[in-house]
Amino acid sequence: QSVLTQPPSASGTPGQRVTISCSGGSSNIGRNAVNWYQQLPGTAPILLIDHHNQRPSGVPDRFSGSKSGTSASLAISGLRSEDEAHYYCGAFDDSLNGWVFGGGTKVTVL
Amino acid sequence: QVQLVESGGGLVKPGGSLRLSCTASGFTFSDYYMSWIRQAPGKGLEWVSYINNGGTFTNYADSVKGRITISRDNARNSLYLQINSLRVEDTAVYYCARESGGLDSWGQGTRLTVSS
Repeated sequence: QSVLTQPPSASGTPGQRVTISCSGGSSNIGRNAVNWYQQLPGTAPILLIDHHNQRPSGVPDRFSGSKSGTSASLAISGLRSEDEAHYYCGAFDDSLNGWVFGGGTKVTVL
Repeated sequence: QVQLVESGGGLVKPGGSLRLSCTASGFTFSDYYMSWIRQAPGKGLEWVSYINNGGTFTNYADSVKGRITISRDNARNSLYLQINSLRVEDTAVYYCARESGGLDSWGQGTRLTVSS
């Protein structure tokens, strides 16, 4: 069971906006930045949203992150077929003194 | 550019030991904390361990504490993960990752299978 909670799946048609939620607690999201990772099929994860809520170089501006209290969300606007992937939220947990992740959300483009 | 290359995975019997390696290039390795993260088949990401930039502080997930040792050799730009008393549930792809505002760079992973 993951420390952070994400819905297992999300979907949308091309061009739509999809939002993925991530719920945590006071020792992780409540205190620290939330990161988002994209994992395309058969590949390693890549950082999508960094601790400043910014996109690393090369990440399209269709991806955006937000945080409120102990929850966060990732929005994908203008959904494209190449966005089909698993998305994971992650944060440092001060109580565990380590990184924690959500269980991942599989995004399907219909 | 930043590159991380893991190696050392394979098929090992339960109770055995293995050392995974991660070779870094394209950045000043000694400036960064590093982590190991694993992903069991069809499952999500699980953080395993991290080490500070000087190699003087480490921490481990409860699921592996006592069986795993993380270490680094800054002169060789290398990160290591020694896993002892291997269990079937250690079967996973093991990734090394650089810590900078999150886990900002990942290797391609090395696959470890624990089976008799």
